[in-house]
Amino acid sequence: SQTIHQWPATLVQPVGSPLSLECTVEGTSNPNLYWYRQAAGSGLQLLFYSVGIGQISSEVPQNLSASRPQDRQFILSSKKLLLSDSGFYLCAWSRSGIHEQYFGPGTRLTVT
Amino acid sequence: GDSVTQMEGPVTLSEEAFLTINCTYTATGYPSLFWYVQYPGEGLQLLLKATKADDKGSNKGFEATYRKETTSFHLEKGSVQVSDSAVYFCALSQASSNTGKLIFGQGTTLQVKP
Repeated sequence: SQTIHQWPATLVQPVGSPLSLECTVEGTSNPNLYWYRQAAGSGLQLLFYSVGIGQISSEVPQNLSASRPQDRQFILSSKKLLLSDSGFYLCAWSRSGIHEQYFGPGTRLTVT
Repeated sequence: GDSVTQMEGPVTLSEEAFLTINCTYTATGYPSLFWYVQYPGEGLQLLLKATKADDKGSNKGFEATYRKETTSFHLEKGSVQVSDSAVYFCALSQASSNTGKLIFGQGTTLQVKP
């Protein structure tokens, strides 16, 4: 069976500090991968998606970047965090050509 | 562009009441439709799906029917429980897309009181 992991689960970082959130998927190969942000009381905003190693598409201009160094690893980064980067970050995967997505447990980021 | 609209929440019900959460969509062609559920502090879980007109998705007592004529995919449950309290998201994807991107509604919070 497939599982998706995210870490850390929670993170408190000062403004201006760097960020690295990691997502890994087990039990499948060549998945499509997605990063979402969910602000408090809000819906989901798609940040990045990837259909293969090294292939990253950005949905919105922002302070964040994403990378996919391995087939089942997806990393969300920032060089300098802003207060507005606070939120709940969700990673998801789907099989290529099949559109249902499966979500990880999320990372709660608080920028202080 | 494609979009999904859900009824605003919160929806507050007593245990064993009937639930309807409305979802309508705007899309070209024949999208696939989904309902996801998010329990407090957790990620989203796929609740049910439908991939073509008149399909009925069902899971855990929840049902939704893909109505192309009304561009709707309303979520229903005959008797809700306190454990159903969560945020529910309606979403669509375009079958022609190779990226698998989902377009989500804004979410509807359900509160079930004992």
